[in-house]
Amino acid sequence: AQSVTQLDSQVPVFEEAPVELRCNYSSSVSVYLFWYVQYPNQGLQLLLKYLSGSTLVKGINGFEAEFNKSQTSFHLRKPSVHISDTAEYFCAVSEGDLGGNEKLTFGTGTRLTIIP
Amino acid sequence: DTAVSQTPKYLVTQMGNDKSIKCEQNLGHDTMYWYKQDSKKFLKIMFSYNNKELIINETVPNRFSPKSPDKAHLNLHINSLELGDSAVYFCASSQDDTNTEAFFGQGTRLTVV
Repeated sequence: AQSVTQLDSQVPVFEEAPVELRCNYSSSVSVYLFWYVQYPNQGLQLLLKYLSGSTLVKGINGFEAEFNKSQTSFHLRKPSVHISDTAEYFCAVSEGDLGGNEKLTFGTGTRLTIIP
Repeated sequence: DTAVSQTPKYLVTQMGNDKSIKCEQNLGHDTMYWYKQDSKKFLKIMFSYNNKELIINETVPNRFSPKSPDKAHLNLHINSLELGDSAVYFCASSQDDTNTEAFFGQGTRLTVV
């Protein structure tokens, strides 16, 4: 069974500073990895995803993430944050055997708060 | 055009009532899902339908009954509502059941009083 761990429940960062949100996963098979963002009172929006190929994935709003198979991690980074990045960020994993019946398993989320 | 739309956005109801939440997607996707987000923001899948057929049914009380009249719609009916059912319910869809990307609705905040 797959699982996702987001160790940091809250991350405060000053505006224009860099940020890294950590995500570790466990799975017995190959995986697809995702980061979703949830702005206040809104649904989830896909930031980026790793399916295969290059381990460095670039997403929307200047975010990127790196898939590290040996460390089973998929940390999210942004070199300079903006007030509008304040949101809840969810890491998710889907087992990538393409056998069908896949489901997303989410981490518990990290609340990113940008301090002016 | 909203890709995945849910109605209502807010729902306040008394314990014991029966209520429904509707979901529609206009993306032409084959697979639709219901997720529950609790007060601690934890997201967990409840159901998944592929081409109107139930393919995932997590451990959910049988008071919850999904219905998919066609592959663009997945409604959630809840009988005998309990206080613990209070949560935000998200509908989502993906192109197929390999779930390489899921698109989410705006959520329905259900409050049971």
